[in-house]
Amino acid sequence: AQSVTQLGSHVSVSEGALVLLRCNYSSSVPPYLFWYVQYPNQGLQLLLKYTTGATLVKGINGFEAEFKKSETSFHLTKPSAHMSDAAEYFCAVSEWNYKLSFGAGTTVTVRA
Amino acid sequence: DAMVIQNPRYQVTQFGKPVTLSCSQTLNHNVMYWYQQKSSQAPKLLFHYYDKDFNNEADTPDNFQSRRPNTSFCFLDIRSPGLGDAAMYLCATSRVTGLIAGNTEAFFGQGTRLTVV
Repeated sequence: AQSVTQLGSHVSVSEGALVLLRCNYSSSVPPYLFWYVQYPNQGLQLLLKYTTGATLVKGINGFEAEFKKSETSFHLTKPSAHMSDAAEYFCAVSEWNYKLSFGAGTTVTVRA
Repeated sequence: DAMVIQNPRYQVTQFGKPVTLSCSQTLNHNVMYWYQQKSSQAPKLLFHYYDKDFNNEADTPDNFQSRRPNTSFCFLDIRSPGLGDAAMYLCATSRVTGLIAGNTEAFFGQGTRLTVV
């Protein structure tokens, strides 16, 4: 069975600082991994996904994530936070089928 | 632009009064999902349609039903809403081809926030 653990339900960063959101997964087969962002009272928007191939994945809005099989991790980073990055971020995993299992989410606040 | 549209964005219903939430898509995707998201929690899959085939999650209460009259539309019916059903309801779609489809991206609507009074 697949599952996702997001470490830290809240992350606060200063504008211009590094954003690091942690995600660890559990999967019995090579997983497909996703990061979604959700702004207040909005749906989820895909930031990036890992399927196969290059382990460093670049997404929208300057975000990237690295798949590390040995650590079962898929952490999300952005070198320089912007006020518009304040949102909730969800890591998700799927295995062979098309059903996503989401982590509990991490809320990011950006301090001016 | 092709998209997933949910109506209404906000819905207030009375305790025990049936309510229907709607979702439409212009992406022509074959799979449509309904998720329930309570405050500060992860979205929880209620059920999905793969083409016309309905797939219920094992722990989805019987109080929740769904209809998909055609490719573009899908409805979520809550037969007798309780206070515990207050949540954001998210519709999503994806195009699934082949037996191995784990890399399929889901496209989400903006959600309907349901309040039960």
